[in-house]
Amino acid sequence: DAGVTQSPTHLIKTRGQQVTLRCSPKSGHDTVSWYQQALGQGPQFIFQYYEEEERQRGNFPDRFSGHQFPNYSSELNVNALLLGDSALYLCASSLALLNSDTQYFGPGTRLTVL
Amino acid sequence: KQEVTQIPAALSVPEGENLVLNCSFTDSAIYNLQWFRQDPGKGLTSLLLIQSSQREQTSGRLNASLDKSSGRSTLYIAASQPGDSATYLCAVNDYKLSFGAGTTVTVRA
Repeated sequence: DAGVTQSPTHLIKTRGQQVTLRCSPKSGHDTVSWYQQALGQGPQFIFQYYEEEERQRGNFPDRFSGHQFPNYSSELNVNALLLGDSALYLCASSLALLNSDTQYFGPGTRLTVL
Repeated sequence: KQEVTQIPAALSVPEGENLVLNCSFTDSAIYNLQWFRQDPGKGLTSLLLIQSSQREQTSGRLNASLDKSSGRSTLYIAASQPGDSATYLCAVNDYKLSFGAGTTVTVRA
């Protein structure tokens, strides 16, 4: 049973560019959440997708957008990259019917903006 | 807005000593609380999940308590080992996870 997978593992971009990160949820899960973890800090919630719709959003600008596909996989897009967007981006999956269930995290994508 | 605080920020102990990690949160309207482990540059590994109706959860050498009314949770790790060296994060689930900044633990051999 595959867990949560993310691609790519590492990414280097320059300021002003755009980036797309990808996530495949754990088998059987229908909800995907994205988090940003800056160095030395805890992860910060970006948004959550369920049934191909953004269900909740954290305090992130519109430069951060996402998408969920019919197979429940998800993409995170960041436009007009800033140096401060350098971070580990984590994807987590869960089952919507079980809000009380654990969230399973992928290994993350390390984004470096130069 | 949920605020999660973890104290201490860092901890260094000799092998064999018991570890006590603290987590506090401001809003008690939560589904559950999770403790995670994170190794440098890696993703998060779930250690324990405590439902809002539970007071305690145990797994091997790990024990976590939850006092929802006072907004506190404590993670106990018994008989620490060098392999326990990592950052430990607590997160409260109120539809999304709100994390503390973590406690970085070093267990000296």
